[in-house]
Amino acid sequence: GQQVMQIPQYQHVQEGEDFTTYCNSSTTLSNIQWYKQRPGGHPVFLIQLVKSGEVKKQKRLTFQFGEAKKNSSLHITATQTTDVGTYFCAGRRGSSNTGKLIFGQGTTLQVKP
Amino acid sequence: NAGVTQTPKFRVLKTGQSMTLLCAQDMNHEYMYWYRQDPGMGLRLIHYSVGEGTTAKGEVPDGYNVSRLKKQNFLLGLESAAPSQTSVYFCASRPLRGAVNQPQHFGDGTRLSIL
Repeated sequence: GQQVMQIPQYQHVQEGEDFTTYCNSSTTLSNIQWYKQRPGGHPVFLIQLVKSGEVKKQKRLTFQFGEAKKNSSLHITATQTTDVGTYFCAGRRGSSNTGKLIFGQGTTLQVKP
Repeated sequence: NAGVTQTPKFRVLKTGQSMTLLCAQDMNHEYMYWYRQDPGMGLRLIHYSVGEGTTAKGEVPDGYNVSRLKKQNFLLGLESAAPSQTSVYFCASRPLRGAVNQPQHFGDGTRLSIL
C-alpha cells in the first residue's frame, strides 16, 4: 500500500490566500522531492530536500523537511491562479541507487480568482 | 532537445488486445521508469530500468512487461489488456551521474482506455 501519505487531497482557496500540503512517510526518507503537475500535464520537478530540518524557498513557495526525515510540507504564500495544479511529494528510502521514488497521492489545488 | 517523448498520446483498446507504449529520451539518461497515474492514487511505479538491457519490477508490475534494448528507449507492453489497466501512463528518466538525488524528467503521458 501507499507508504507516503499526503494531505489534503483537494484544496480550494481564494486567490491571495495561503496554501499548505503535508507529506508523511511511515519510514525515514533519505531525501524528498516535490513535483507540480498542471491540469492535463505531466509532473515537473520543483525542488529536493536532503538534510534533516532543511528549509528551502522558491519565491512564494516554502519547502520543509522534518527533523526526523519522515515528513515534509509545501507552503504557498498568497496563491495565484498560476499555482493551480496537483502537488506531489516523492520520497526515496535507504541508500539504493536505483532512484526509485515513492509518490504521495498528491494535493490538487484550485484557486478562485 | 525533445526530452522524454511518449507515443502514442491516446489509445482505446478492447479487452484482451495487446499493445506497446514507447518511451524515448534524448538526454542519455541511464535510468528510466514507467508509472501509472490513477485518480487519488498518485504515481505508482510499474517497472524500471537502471541501464540498457536491464529491467526490474516496481510496485504494480502485474499484467505488464518491459524491455530496454537500447539506452534511449523503454517499452511498456500490455499482453492482454484489462479494464483495470485504464489509466494515464507516464515515462520518466534521470541521469546516473551526480548524486542519486537527481530529479526525474517526465514525458507528456499516454492516456489509455480499455473497453
